[in-house]
Amino acid sequence: EAQVTQNPRYLITVTGKKLTVTCSQNMNHEYMSWYRQDPGLGLRQIYYSMNVEVTDKGDVPEGYKVSRKEKRNFPLILESPSPNQTSLYFCASRLAGPDYEQYFGPGTRLTVT
Amino acid sequence: AQKVTQAQTEISVVEKEDVTLDCVYETRDTTYYLFWYKQPPSGELVFLIRRNSFDEQNEISGRYSWNFQKSTSSFNFTITASQVVDSAVYFCALSEAAGGSYIPTFGRGTSLIVHP
Repeated sequence: EAQVTQNPRYLITVTGKKLTVTCSQNMNHEYMSWYRQDPGLGLRQIYYSMNVEVTDKGDVPEGYKVSRKEKRNFPLILESPSPNQTSLYFCASRLAGPDYEQYFGPGTRLTVT
Repeated sequence: AQKVTQAQTEISVVEKEDVTLDCVYETRDTTYYLFWYKQPPSGELVFLIRRNSFDEQNEISGRYSWNFQKSTSSFNFTITASQVVDSAVYFCALSEAAGGSYIPTFGRGTSLIVHP
């Protein structure tokens, strides 16, 4: 089954404790991205990757890191989480090109206390 | 720079009413793509439709229809005879063909609540 998986689905952590949210897709998509969803603000892109070893900042990259060492995986790293990073996070993938729809993971709800 | 505006934050209707969700976009590109996604209460984001800037034909899929008008830079979504299962947040998105990165811009979403 074609899908994007994210883990964990729910995470409660404390300020400053490094964490990684994993994202994996099985569709051989070139393009992957991370979004955060906050009430009233919609979906905002954090980072995106056009292919292996090619990543770039989205609209709200501060406080996040990513890596793309393999085509299928695109982990999101929070080196020192803060309460303002409490949010719902989505990973997405798609084929290269502006006309392709995105496939989203199920979301990760992160709470930073 | 591309921009998508969904001015309706929340819409509340009673089952069987027709409802239109507005989407207005801004772009300087002549080639672009518009999308609608649905996010039901369970949280996942589901692709509904894609439209390119050269195809202004309206699209109908069951109770769903989409009206793309370049003259008003709008790509509105209408649900006919709404049902409770249509309750969701709906996002409109735009991708420009220029630039190479094809970063999509999403609107802030419209929350549709359909009451029985």
